Amino acid sequence: EPEVTQTPSHQVTQMGQEVILRCVPISNHLYFYWYRQILGQKVEFLVSFYNNEISEKSEIFDDQFSVERPDGSNFTLKIRSTKLEDSAMYFCARQGAGGYTFGSGTRLTVV
Amino acid sequence: QQPVQSPQAVILREGEDAVINCSSSKALYSVHWYRQKHGEAPVFLMILLKGGEQKGHEKISASFNEKKQQSSLYLTASQLSYSGTYFCGTANQAGTALIFGKGTTLSVSS
Repeated sequence: EPEVTQTPSHQVTQMGQEVILRCVPISNHLYFYWYRQILGQKVEFLVSFYNNEISEKSEIFDDQFSVERPDGSNFTLKIRSTKLEDSAMYFCARQGAGGYTFGSGTRLTVV
Repeated sequence: QQPVQSPQAVILREGEDAVINCSSSKALYSVHWYRQKHGEAPVFLMILLKGGEQKGHEKISASFNEKKQQSSLYLTASQLSYSGTYFCGTANQAGTALIFGKGTTLSVSS
C-alpha cells in the first residue's frame, strides 16, 4: 500500500516554542491517527481524526495539542508550547483494509 | 485500558519458536500485531477480529480468544529478520483507536 509521508523527519526546538508536524496520507481514507513514542517505550495514542473531525483523543492530548487538515490532504499536529517531555517520535497513521500504516515519523527534540 | 504483553523479552536462536501473549481486562473487538525494528515505524503484521479467527503471515500466526480476552502471536522457525519489538494493539469497539501494549523485544541470533 502507498506510504504515509511525514515531514520533517527530525525537528529540534527550544522549550516553549510552537511546532507543527505534517503528514500526507492518502486522501480517500477516512481514519487518521497521531501516536507518539518516547525513546524505547510503547507507542502512545494521541488523537484520531475521522471525516475531518476529532473522533477520539487521549489524556495526553491536552490544550497544548491541536490537529488540522488545512487543505484536505495534509494533516498537521501542532504543539503550542513545547516541553522537554514532548521529546519523542511522532507517527501519523492511516487505517487501510486491515491494520494501520504508519508514516516514517518525526523525531522531535525539545531542548 | 492498555493491554498487557508477556514476556517482555525473548532471546532465540535461528529456527526456534516463540509465543508472545497479549491480554486485556476489557472485552475486545479486535487485536492487531505489529513489528518495529530499531529506528523504524511499526509495521502491520495481522489483525484478529471477534470470532476467534486464527490468521497467518509467513511463518507467523496468531490466535484470538474472545472469552479470555487474549491473543497470542506464534513465531515458528524464527529467522534473523524476525528480530525487533512486537506490539499488540487492541480496540474495545469498532472504530476506536488502537491502544498498544508495552512491547516484547525479540532477539534472534545465528
